[in-house]
Amino acid sequence: DQQVKQNSPSLSVQEGRISILNCDYTNSMFDYFLWYKKYPAEGPTFLISISSIKDKNEDGRFTVFLNKSAKHLSLHIVPSQPGDSAVYFCAASALNTGTASKLTFGTGTRLQVTL
Amino acid sequence: DAGVTQSPTHLIKTRGQQVTLRCSPKSGHDTVSWYQQALGQGPQFIFQYYEEEERQRGNFPDRFSGHQFPNYSSELNVNALLLGDSALYLCASSRASGSHEQYFGPGTRLTVT
Repeated sequence: DQQVKQNSPSLSVQEGRISILNCDYTNSMFDYFLWYKKYPAEGPTFLISISSIKDKNEDGRFTVFLNKSAKHLSLHIVPSQPGDSAVYFCAASALNTGTASKLTFGTGTRLQVTL
Repeated sequence: DAGVTQSPTHLIKTRGQQVTLRCSPKSGHDTVSWYQQALGQGPQFIFQYYEEEERQRGNFPDRFSGHQFPNYSSELNVNALLLGDSALYLCASSRASGSHEQYFGPGTRLTVT
């Protein structure tokens, strides 16, 4: 049962253009969403997050949008740069009182930014 | 300030053997979570340790066990290794008290032959 889905395994975008990575979830208990970026031979690196009480969070070139009614979120990267080429994972969590949350990940989208 | 560190980097074991992986959390973090990432998949939650106790567990068999030490470092043990246990094992650290963000180490690549 895949509770977090990233239906696009790969995405190719030209440098300078916008990259849009999508993620869908099924569990209504999720109340916090995160994006991680992963280079080969490295662990995932936290990129940006959003709470379910918001519909948008922006950090520099990265913006995450959340549509709770559709159970859908997206990550926008503008402008895309060659260094953004990596695998991007969407993750979701439900807050536990007194302990850190566990993360449920999607299967990832490989982004390639071409010159 | 050192981030999350894991050892060893790579490991090759034979079916039926036992393995221990180690993790040191980021400075200031008191909670350690372990994830398994199979090829082409996202990381899957194995379990989480806080105050030297297992607090949450994912859908993994009892062959997977762990430990947390007073200095917050942690070990993941896997007994009776199967070929399907071949994966990247990731350790993540965080603060307890409602923290969502977790910071990952580089992982240990385990190959079972």
